[in-house]
Amino acid sequence: SAVISQKPSRDICQRGTSLTIQCQVDSQVTMMFWYRQQPGQSLTLIATANQGSEATYESGFVIDKFPISRPNLTFSTLTVSNMSPEDSSIYLCSVPGLTSSNEAFFGQGTRLTVV
Amino acid sequence: QKEVEQNSGPLSVPEGAIASLNCTYSDRGSQSFFWYRQYSGKSPELIMSIYSNGDKEDGRFTAQLNKASQYVSLLIRDSQPSDSATYLCAVEGGKLIFGQGTELSVKP
Repeated sequence: SAVISQKPSRDICQRGTSLTIQCQVDSQVTMMFWYRQQPGQSLTLIATANQGSEATYESGFVIDKFPISRPNLTFSTLTVSNMSPEDSSIYLCSVPGLTSSNEAFFGQGTRLTVV
Repeated sequence: QKEVEQNSGPLSVPEGAIASLNCTYSDRGSQSFFWYRQYSGKSPELIMSIYSNGDKEDGRFTAQLNKASQYVSLLIRDSQPSDSATYLCAVEGGKLIFGQGTELSVKP
């Protein structure tokens, strides 16, 4: 599988501010995915980021709140905007497997606490 | 709405026993099924993929799939304390949908 580097690994932010999370992959991938894992919950897909086009957002997630950039085939960012305590979660980037695109491999995650 | 259901647990087994984790899904069109292991404070790690009905074995892990019953399971033989984690079932149906996870505790 690809090596996925995500940063920051954790952050504590003030409400009303924004945080940008970076995801770097050591190989070129067509699609990158951003997930949220709220405390004690499972993973929920936020959006799919394709290089050269707008990200595709899942129901309940909007671009104004979670803008995504995908400038090339190895890098993506997710911004959590105008944060509130309800945004406290783990945010994970994911890429498909090299041998099977159905498989998902995850970065180490960003643990966000909003105070 | 496509759903994936797991018993949340916690499931507690003694060391050396077989741990059985179960998952049901709602989308009959799903073709790919996965088990992820997530240690506390870590990201999910893919441990098994299964695509066809029947059993698939990898070391101490066996995944079982029954598409007719919309049921997938994970058996862990000779459970070790290091297996203590949350196990997430994921089903691919256009996108990956995750269950809520089953917490497994293996007692020495």
